[in-house]
Amino acid sequence: KAGVTQTPRYLIKTRGQQVTLSCSPISGHRSVSWYQQTPGQGLQFLFEYFSETQRNKGNFPGRFSGRQFSNSRSEMNVSTLELGDSALYLCASSWAPGTGNTEAFFGQGTRLTVV
Amino acid sequence: SQQGEEDPQALSIQEGENATMNCSYKTSINNLQWYRQNSGRGLVHLILIRSNEREKHSGRLRVTLDTSKKSSSLLITASRAADTASYFCATVLNTGGFKTIFGAGTRLFVKA
Repeated sequence: KAGVTQTPRYLIKTRGQQVTLSCSPISGHRSVSWYQQTPGQGLQFLFEYFSETQRNKGNFPGRFSGRQFSNSRSEMNVSTLELGDSALYLCASSWAPGTGNTEAFFGQGTRLTVV
Repeated sequence: SQQGEEDPQALSIQEGENATMNCSYKTSINNLQWYRQNSGRGLVHLILIRSNEREKHSGRLRVTLDTSKKSSSLLITASRAADTASYFCATVLNTGGFKTIFGAGTRLFVKA
Protein backbone atom coordinates (compact mmCIF):
# COMPACT_ATOMS: atom_id res chain seq x y z
CA LYS A 1 0.00 0.00 0.00
CA ALA A 2 1.51 3.32 -1.06
CA GLY A 3 2.05 5.87 1.68
CA VAL A 4 1.12 9.53 1.75
CA THR A 5 2.77 11.33 -1.14
CA GLN A 6 3.57 15.01 -1.04
CA THR A 7 4.81 16.98 -3.99
CA PRO A 8 7.03 18.74 -4.53
CA ARG A 9 9.58 17.80 -1.86
CA TYR A 10 11.44 21.10 -2.08
CA LEU A 11 10.39 24.49 -3.29
CA ILE A 12 11.99 27.91 -3.41
CA LYS A 13 9.75 30.90 -3.96
CA THR A 14 10.10 34.65 -3.85
CA ARG A 15 8.21 36.92 -1.47
CA GLY A 16 4.86 37.90 -2.90
CA GLN A 17 4.48 34.81 -5.04
CA GLN A 18 1.95 32.09 -4.42
CA VAL A 19 2.49 28.37 -4.07
CA THR A 20 0.41 25.21 -4.31
CA LEU A 21 1.37 22.03 -2.50
CA SER A 22 -0.15 18.66 -3.21
CA CYS A 23 -0.92 15.68 -1.03
CA SER A 24 -2.13 12.25 -2.11
CA PRO A 25 -3.43 10.29 0.88
CA ILE A 26 -3.28 6.58 1.41
CA SER A 27 -5.87 4.81 -0.70
CA GLY A 28 -9.14 4.61 1.21
CA HIS A 29 -8.31 7.41 3.62
CA ARG A 30 -10.82 10.23 3.53
CA SER A 31 -9.36 12.67 6.01
CA VAL A 32 -6.41 14.87 5.13
CA SER A 33 -4.82 17.32 7.53
CA TRP A 34 -2.10 19.87 6.91
CA TYR A 35 0.54 21.14 9.33
CA GLN A 36 3.23 23.75 9.24
CA GLN A 37 6.46 22.98 11.08
CA THR A 38 9.01 25.63 11.92
CA PRO A 39 11.83 25.64 14.48
CA GLY A 40 10.22 28.48 16.39
CA GLN A 41 6.55 27.45 16.38
CA GLY A 42 6.76 23.68 16.16
CA LEU A 43 3.97 21.75 14.48
CA GLN A 44 0.98 23.98 13.86
CA PHE A 45 -2.34 22.67 12.61
CA LEU A 46 -3.50 24.34 9.41
CA PHE A 47 -6.71 22.59 8.40
CA GLU A 48 -8.44 19.26 8.03
CA TYR A 49 -10.55 18.06 5.12
CA PHE A 50 -12.97 15.18 5.02
CA SER A 51 -15.00 14.23 1.98
CA GLU A 52 -14.12 17.49 0.24
CA THR A 53 -15.25 19.61 3.19
CA GLN A 54 -13.05 21.62 5.48
CA ARG A 55 -13.99 20.48 8.97
CA ASN A 56 -11.41 22.35 10.98
CA LYS A 57 -9.09 25.27 10.57
CA GLY A 58 -6.13 26.46 12.62
CA ASN A 59 -5.15 30.01 13.42
CA PHE A 60 -3.59 31.00 10.16
CA PRO A 61 -4.33 34.03 7.97
CA GLY A 62 -6.60 33.80 4.96
CA ARG A 63 -3.55 33.58 2.70
CA PHE A 64 -3.50 29.91 3.61
CA SER A 65 -6.22 27.92 1.92
CA GLY A 66 -6.84 24.38 0.85
CA ARG A 67 -9.19 22.05 -0.86
CA GLN A 68 -9.88 18.37 -1.23
CA PHE A 69 -10.95 16.61 -4.36
CA SER A 70 -13.40 13.75 -4.81
CA ASN A 71 -10.52 11.25 -4.89
CA SER A 72 -9.39 12.61 -1.46
CA ARG A 73 -6.28 14.23 -2.87
CA SER A 74 -5.71 17.60 -1.30
CA GLU A 75 -3.95 20.80 -2.16
CA MET A 76 -2.99 23.74 -0.04
CA ASN A 77 -2.28 27.17 -1.39
CA VAL A 78 -0.38 30.04 0.14
CA SER A 79 -0.73 33.40 -1.54
CA THR A 80 1.42 36.50 -1.18
CA LEU A 81 4.26 34.56 0.37
CA GLU A 82 6.18 36.03 3.28
CA LEU A 83 9.61 35.10 4.57
CA GLY A 84 7.97 33.67 7.67
CA ASP A 85 6.12 31.11 5.56
CA SER A 86 9.37 29.21 5.10
CA ALA A 87 8.69 25.89 6.74
CA LEU A 88 8.20 22.18 6.34
CA TYR A 89 4.59 21.56 5.35
CA LEU A 90 3.32 18.17 6.34
CA CYS A 91 0.23 16.38 5.18
CA ALA A 92 -1.36 13.52 7.09
CA SER A 93 -4.13 11.17 6.13
CA SER A 94 -6.32 8.94 8.21
CA TRP A 95 -9.32 6.71 7.81
CA ALA A 96 -11.30 8.91 10.17
CA PRO A 97 -14.38 6.78 10.81
CA GLY A 98 -15.76 9.53 12.98
CA THR A 99 -14.31 8.75 16.38
CA GLY A 100 -10.91 10.38 16.17
CA ASN A 101 -9.37 7.16 17.44
CA THR A 102 -7.25 6.65 14.42
CA GLU A 103 -3.61 7.18 13.75
CA ALA A 104 -2.46 9.64 11.16
CA PHE A 105 -0.02 8.70 8.43
CA PHE A 106 2.32 11.47 7.41
CA GLY A 107 3.99 12.28 4.15
CA GLN A 108 7.65 13.30 3.96
CA GLY A 109 6.68 16.93 3.70
CA THR A 110 7.37 19.80 1.36
CA ARG A 111 10.21 22.07 2.38
CA LEU A 112 9.25 25.58 1.30
CA THR A 113 11.85 28.32 1.34
CA VAL A 114 10.75 31.89 0.70
CA VAL A 115 13.51 34.28 -0.33
CA SER B 1 -0.49 27.89 22.94
CA GLN B 2 0.24 24.23 22.41
CA GLN B 3 -2.22 21.71 23.77
CA GLY B 4 0.58 19.33 24.60
CA GLU B 5 3.84 20.25 26.28
CA GLU B 6 6.70 17.79 26.32
CA ASP B 7 9.35 17.56 28.96
CA PRO B 8 12.30 17.53 28.70
CA GLN B 9 12.94 19.54 25.57
CA ALA B 10 16.09 17.55 24.91
CA LEU B 11 17.53 14.34 26.28
CA SER B 12 20.93 12.74 25.70
CA ILE B 13 21.57 9.19 26.88
CA GLN B 14 23.87 6.24 26.24
CA GLU B 15 22.82 3.28 24.17
CA GLY B 16 21.18 0.67 26.37
CA GLU B 17 19.75 3.18 28.82
CA ASN B 18 16.07 3.95 29.17
CA ALA B 19 14.57 7.23 27.97
CA THR B 20 11.50 8.79 29.53
CA MET B 21 9.60 11.66 28.00
CA ASN B 22 6.61 13.38 29.53
CA CYS B 23 3.69 15.20 28.04
CA SER B 24 1.09 17.41 29.65
CA TYR B 25 -2.09 18.67 28.05
CA LYS B 26 -4.82 21.10 28.90
CA THR B 27 -8.26 19.95 27.86
CA SER B 28 -10.23 16.71 27.92
CA ILE B 29 -9.10 14.32 25.26
CA ASN B 30 -10.42 11.43 23.25
CA ASN B 31 -7.02 9.83 22.98
CA LEU B 32 -3.34 10.70 23.09
CA GLN B 33 -0.81 9.62 20.53
CA TRP B 34 2.96 9.58 20.34
CA TYR B 35 4.89 10.17 17.14
CA ARG B 36 8.54 10.07 16.17
CA GLN B 37 10.20 12.34 13.63
CA ASN B 38 13.61 11.74 12.19
CA SER B 39 15.47 14.87 11.20
CA GLY B 40 13.28 17.05 8.97
CA ARG B 41 11.12 14.20 7.73
CA GLY B 42 7.54 13.09 8.18
CA LEU B 43 6.19 11.83 11.47
CA VAL B 44 5.75 8.17 12.23
CA HIS B 45 2.98 7.03 14.52
CA LEU B 46 4.23 5.05 17.51
CA ILE B 47 1.32 4.36 19.79
CA LEU B 48 -2.21 5.51 20.61
CA ILE B 49 -3.67 5.35 24.10
CA ARG B 50 -7.35 5.96 24.68
CA SER B 51 -8.66 8.09 27.49
CA ASN B 52 -10.00 5.03 29.33
CA GLU B 53 -6.63 3.26 29.22
CA ARG B 54 -3.86 3.76 31.75
CA GLU B 55 -0.95 1.93 30.20
CA LYS B 56 -0.02 0.49 26.87
CA HIS B 57 2.99 -1.39 25.54
CA SER B 58 4.40 -1.80 22.08
CA GLY B 59 7.76 -3.54 21.78
CA ARG B 60 10.28 -1.41 23.69
CA LEU B 61 7.74 1.36 24.16
CA ARG B 62 5.60 1.86 27.22
CA VAL B 63 3.07 4.66 27.42
CA THR B 64 1.12 5.72 30.47
CA LEU B 65 -1.79 8.09 30.69
CA ASP B 66 -3.06 9.89 33.78
CA THR B 67 -6.20 11.78 32.84
CA SER B 68 -6.57 13.22 36.35
CA LYS B 69 -3.22 14.94 35.96
CA LYS B 70 -3.63 15.45 32.23
CA SER B 71 -0.29 13.88 31.56
CA SER B 72 1.32 11.02 29.70
CA SER B 73 4.76 9.51 29.58
CA LEU B 74 6.64 7.58 26.93
CA LEU B 75 9.33 5.17 28.05
CA ILE B 76 11.77 3.70 25.55
CA THR B 77 13.67 0.82 27.09
CA ALA B 78 17.13 -0.38 26.07
CA SER B 79 17.56 2.56 23.71
CA ARG B 80 19.50 2.28 20.47
CA ALA B 81 21.30 4.86 18.36
CA ALA B 82 18.50 4.45 15.81
CA ASP B 83 16.06 5.84 18.39
CA THR B 84 17.68 9.25 17.96
CA ALA B 85 14.81 11.46 16.82
CA SER B 86 12.25 13.98 18.03
CA TYR B 87 9.25 12.61 19.85
CA PHE B 88 5.91 14.35 19.93
CA CYS B 89 2.76 13.76 21.85
CA ALA B 90 -0.48 14.63 20.13
CA THR B 91 -3.99 15.03 21.40
CA VAL B 92 -7.11 14.84 19.32
CA LEU B 93 -9.77 17.42 19.95
CA ASN B 94 -13.27 16.88 18.64
CA THR B 95 -14.44 20.27 17.49
CA GLY B 96 -16.91 19.18 14.88
CA GLY B 97 -14.05 17.74 12.94
CA PHE B 98 -10.95 16.28 14.49
CA LYS B 99 -8.02 18.53 15.19
CA THR B 100 -4.75 16.91 16.18
CA ILE B 101 -2.62 19.20 18.31
CA PHE B 102 1.06 18.45 18.74
CA GLY B 103 3.35 19.38 21.56
CA ALA B 104 6.73 21.01 21.05
CA GLY B 105 8.52 17.68 21.13
CA THR B 106 11.46 16.12 22.94
CA ARG B 107 14.69 15.76 21.04
CA LEU B 108 16.31 12.45 22.00
CA PHE B 109 19.94 11.74 21.23
CA VAL B 110 21.21 8.24 21.89
CA LYS B 111 24.97 7.93 21.92
CA ALA B 112 26.50 4.71 20.63
